[in-house]
Amino acid sequence: DTEVTQTPKHLVMGMTNKKSLKCEQHMGHRAMYWYKQKAKKPPELMFVYSYEKLSINESVPSRFSPECPNSSLLNLHLHALQPEDSALYLCASTSRALAGASYNEQFFGPGTRLTVL
Amino acid sequence: AQTVTQSQPEMSVQEAETVTLSCTYDTSENNYYLFWYKQPPSRQMILVIRQEAYKQQNATENRFSVNFQKAAKSFSLKISDSQLGDTAMYFCAFSGTASKLTFGTGTRLQVTL
Repeated sequence: DTEVTQTPKHLVMGMTNKKSLKCEQHMGHRAMYWYKQKAKKPPELMFVYSYEKLSINESVPSRFSPECPNSSLLNLHLHALQPEDSALYLCASTSRALAGASYNEQFFGPGTRLTVL
Repeated sequence: AQTVTQSQPEMSVQEAETVTLSCTYDTSENNYYLFWYKQPPSRQMILVIRQEAYKQQNATENRFSVNFQKAAKSFSLKISDSQLGDTAMYFCAFSGTASKLTFGTGTRLQVTL
């Protein structure tokens, strides 16, 4: 299995809703990432998990809450989002989990397109 | 901090022709990797090609090849025999000692008949 899967593909939510995005990989990768991508822009890094521990938080607002229950699964919990949070949310994974390892080819999932009303 | 610059926001090429996408980067590191990722409209981002900085030989993957000039910090992508399926956003990306990728702003490539 050489893919990263994400569910749901599309999500529409109100500003008072609580929802979660899910990402899964079965490649044995030990680092997983959440990105936010606006149309025609590059992905912006949000969080990095290394060996199931949060290693990087790019100053993301607390209305986004990541969780890594095990080495294959990554969740992003959403609460009280704003319309400007509407975007494509990408998950990625890589086999190199340690800082200082420069090889960092990432495998991306198809993304969840989020619309906040 | 590393920066990656793609100076061509949009490009167009006819089917079967060759096109080159430009990328420059800035870093003080000596060991790093460079990547080109492709993101078709409403589809998944996939890796096209990667280059290790310590290798002088330019990477090649079928119709895709790079021109890596380490001293000039340049990493261009050449697509030969362009196909309609090559239509996509192309992102150049840098990976150094930090556990993350630094992306360029992207080049939107349109392949026409």
